Amino acid sequence: AQSVTQLGSHVSVSEGALVLLRCNYSSSVPPYLFWYVQYPNQGLQLLLKYTSAATLVKGINGFEAEFKKSETSFHLTKPSAHMSDAAEYFCAVSEYGGSQGNLIFGKGTKLSVKP
Amino acid sequence: DAGVIQSPRHEVTEMGQEVTLRCKPISGHDYLFWYRQTMMRGLELLIYFNNNVPIDDSGMPEDRFSAKMPNASFSTLKIQPSEPRDSAVYFCASRTGLLSDTQYFGPGTRLTVL
Repeated sequence: AQSVTQLGSHVSVSEGALVLLRCNYSSSVPPYLFWYVQYPNQGLQLLLKYTSAATLVKGINGFEAEFKKSETSFHLTKPSAHMSDAAEYFCAVSEYGGSQGNLIFGKGTKLSVKP
Repeated sequence: DAGVIQSPRHEVTEMGQEVTLRCKPISGHDYLFWYRQTMMRGLELLIYFNNNVPIDDSGMPEDRFSAKMPNASFSTLKIQPSEPRDSAVYFCASRTGLLSDTQYFGPGTRLTVL
């Protein structure tokens, strides 16, 4: 069965600093991987996704993530944090087997950005 | 496209009352998902449909919860009777038939049961 682990439920960075949000997955087959962002009082919005093309995926708002099969990781990074990046971030892996319909979400990482 | 549409955006009701949440998926999407989000439990999948047929309802908390999808453009999630512990934000999402495609989320319904 697929699963997702997000290390750190809360991450705090200073404005202009590097953002690194960690995600590890388990899957017996090549996965599809997603990062979503949720701003306060809003729904989830796709940041980027990996679908077995390039291993370095670029998304919206300057975020990118690298798929590393050997490490079963899909960490999210941004070189320079902005105050507007404060939100909760969810990593997800596509579900294989069974009905193959769903995404398995991690528990989320709340990002705070200090001025 | 208007995206996934949910109504109402906010619902306040009293314990024991029936609550109906509504969702209109993106046109052409084959899959529809209902999620619940709380501080304590995070984001939970309740049920999802493929071509209007319920595929997995193992996340539905108990018999008080029911979901229907009478046609490709409309789904409801009903709670009867409602309880204070049902207070949460309920999200609907939809997707095409491709596993690699994006799940698009609606803005959510914030339910408060007094």
